[in-house]
Order: sequence, then structure tokens, then C-alpha cells
Amino acid sequence: DAGVTQSPTHLIKTRGQQVTLRCSPKSGHDTVSWYQQALGQGPQFIFQYYEEEERQRGNFPDRFSGHQFPNYSSELNVNALLLGDSALYLCASSSAGQLYEQYFGPGTRLTVT
Amino acid sequence: SQELEQSPQSLIVQEGKNLTINCTSSKTLYGLYWYKQKYGEGLIFLMMLQKGGEEKSHEKITAKLDEKKQQSSLHITASQPSHAGIYLCGADTDDKIIFGKGTRLHILP
Repeated sequence: DAGVTQSPTHLIKTRGQQVTLRCSPKSGHDTVSWYQQALGQGPQFIFQYYEEEERQRGNFPDRFSGHQFPNYSSELNVNALLLGDSALYLCASSSAGQLYEQYFGPGTRLTVT
Repeated sequence: SQELEQSPQSLIVQEGKNLTINCTSSKTLYGLYWYKQKYGEGLIFLMMLQKGGEEKSHEKITAKLDEKKQQSSLHITASQPSHAGIYLCGADTDDKIIFGKGTRLHILP
């Protein structure tokens, strides 16, 4: 079992560009949550996808959007990148209603210059 | 909204010493998670506490949730270099987890 995988590992973008991050959940999991972790901070909840729909959303602007595919994998899109979007983006997967078994991926380090 | 405060923010201990990290919530905790994170990497689940007064152990790490369910402590006995990293507490709220800012633990050989 590969666990939760994320790609790419690292990414450098310029202010104003758009970026897409990808996540494959652990086998058997159908729910994907995305978190943003700025340097020196704890992870902050961005949104959660279940059955290809956004189920919950944290306090993030509409520039942050996502998608879940029929195979439960997910993408996080960020438009009009700002310097403040530089962070580690973490994906976590779980089964619906079993948040205590949430597994985290290794993260994608995004740097905006 | 619920907030978690962790203390201390940073901790440096000599190998072999015991240490405690605290997590205080602004609201009652219905599920409290402890995770460990190596710098710049993903989170590793340590344990989850739900009941007031509950205590769980994994190897040399013990976590407790107080009776009022607003504070948790994580205790490491006889610390080792492998314990170094960032310890994060998280609260189960509305089917998502909110996190504290983390405690950075350094172990001196």
C-alpha cells in the first residue's frame, strides 16, 4: 500500500501564475482534505472533498479551488499566486466518518517568487 | 471558532531527559489528536484521545486528556534523538481537524 502520495514534491512559481497540486489517497479512502502549512505554523484547513464534491471549506479565498475525481484522487488549484501562498501543502485522506484514521501525505513545497 | 495553544513553542532537552508538551483548547475537546512532523515533511499520527481523563501510551510517549476536556499533555520519557521534530495537537471539529502551531523539539546528544 503506497499510502497518500502527492506531486510534485517541490514547485517554484512566479507571482500571478497558477498552480495545480495533486494527491492520491490511501487505498480504500474516499475523502480528501487539503491543508496549507506556512513556515513555523500549524496546518490550516483549506477544504475537503467527498464524492467529487466540496464538503467543507476553511477560511481561504476563491483563488483556491479543488476537484476530486471518480478514483478519489484530488487536485488543488491556486490562481493568481501571491507571495503569501508560499507554504507546504498537505493532503490527507480518510474514509467518510472516520476522521481519526486520517493519513497525511508528504506534502508539496510551493515557493512563490 | 476553536483555537489550540501549544506550549512551549520550542524545547531543547538533553538526550535521556523527560519532557512535557501542553495543548490548551478554547473550547471543549471532542477528539484530540497528536501528530509528529519531521521538518518539511508530512504528519505522522501518534494517538487520539476522546474521553476526559483518558491516557494513551505508545512506546515512550504518553498523552493525557484532562477531565474537563480542554487540555492535553504529551510526555516523552527518556528522550532519544529520534524524538526530535515538531509535535502538533489537533482538534476534531465539524469533521475536520484544526491544529495548534506546534512545539519544536530538539534533542541534544
